[in-house]
Amino acid sequence: QGQLVQSGSVVQKPGASVKVSCKASGYSFTSYGVSWVRQAPGQGFEWMAWINTENSNRNFAQKLQGRVTLTTDTSTNTVYMEMRSLRSDDTALYFCVRDGVGATTWGVFDLWGQGTLVTVSS
Amino acid sequence: DIQLTQSPSSLYASVGDRVTITCRAGQTISTYLNWYQQRPGKPPTLLISAASRLRSGVPSRFSATGSGTEFTLTISGLQREDFATYFCQQSYTSLPFTFGPGTTVYVK
Repeated sequence: QGQLVQSGSVVQKPGASVKVSCKASGYSFTSYGVSWVRQAPGQGFEWMAWINTENSNRNFAQKLQGRVTLTTDTSTNTVYMEMRSLRSDDTALYFCVRDGVGATTWGVFDLWGQGTLVTVSS
Repeated sequence: DIQLTQSPSSLYASVGDRVTITCRAGQTISTYLNWYQQRPGKPPTLLISAASRLRSGVPSRFSATGSGTEFTLTISGLQREDFATYFCQQSYTSLPFTFGPGTTVYVK
């Protein structure tokens, strides 16, 4: 049960920023974490980052540390992923996924958003 | 990062066939291995977690085994809706989580 609904596709220029939202419904929001996963065209999946929606603890993939910010709004059950200094190789389909709340439960992605296409092009 | 490989990268099968997909990890990951199905144009869905735990609602024709570095996903009695791409993903304690490159099951 549950649903994750993401914001719509976006086109940005290199160097710009993008903010993608992920609204959860149908389950206890703060009982789960949220990870972000992306899939570049013709490429595999890449895990990006994770947030505990209750206490906002975060973890990031090393290559994205400093360029990605995760925030959560418990009043609207929404998680936001912001990426700065966009490059052409950031062009991908971005998914939010329901995850565990900590190191003993995370990494099992049992609910996926529909995906948000972010295109970085001049 | 823990590398995952899958074999084969693609296969052709018929309805009713038994299909086996292998996922190998670059280092031991105990049973921290999950399997997903992705149909074209859709996000993945979780089939199996912890190497062999079938998710509620997933048909029993799906099964999986393995531990350490070698894992298999088996579909016994392939159905039309099973023609899709299958990914393994490791959730071992050290980040980052990583995915296998996928195995696409095509209609023969």
